[in-house]
Amino acid sequence: DGGITQSPKYLFRKEGQNVTLSCEQNLNHDAMYWYRQDPGQGLRLIYYSQIVNDFQKGDIAEGYSVSREKKESFPLTVTSAQKNPTAFYLCASSDTDSNQPQHFGDGTRLSIL
Amino acid sequence: AQKITQTQPGMFVQEKEAVTLDCTYDTSDPSYGLFWYKQPSSGEMIFLIYQGSYDQQNATEGRYSLNFQKARKSANLVISASQLGDSAMYFCAMRALNSGNTPLVFGKGTRLSVIA
Repeated sequence: DGGITQSPKYLFRKEGQNVTLSCEQNLNHDAMYWYRQDPGQGLRLIYYSQIVNDFQKGDIAEGYSVSREKKESFPLTVTSAQKNPTAFYLCASSDTDSNQPQHFGDGTRLSIL
Repeated sequence: AQKITQTQPGMFVQEKEAVTLDCTYDTSDPSYGLFWYKQPSSGEMIFLIYQGSYDQQNATEGRYSLNFQKARKSANLVISASQLGDSAMYFCAMRALNSGNTPLVFGKGTRLSVIA
């Protein structure tokens, strides 16, 4: 079955540590996205990539970094510069037609130890 | 830039009744698409229904329908015959059409609770 796989499901970060969240898709979608969701809040865009080897900052990119070396993969690194990283992180992908929905992974819940 | 406003933080509905979840939007793009997603407590985002700004008819998908009023910039989701499994967060989102694969812009969501 085609879909988006995020791992791990739960992740814990120590102070001063960088952690990387994995996102892999087998839908052959060009575009991929990372959103952050805080309790009771909507989704806020961190980064997105419309094509391999290219990505753009979203509304809350500070303290995060991404790479897009392969079409299938769009990992997100939460750096030590992100002072409040505790949140639910959702990865999505979409086709080139703008009337098509974004497809989402099941999310990664990040907490601070 | 686009903006989505969902003014109902929480809603309650009796099982088997219909419920309307409000969504208003703001955009300067001449053509755009509106999307609704459901997020159960497990966290995954489930796509429900889509409405294009130039679609002549309101979208329907099973028990979901969209009450689209372009002049009022509203795209309310109507769920008919509510079921206990409909209890979840519901998000309205939009993007400009003919913009390729730009990100969706989301509202803050409405938590729907279905009561037996």
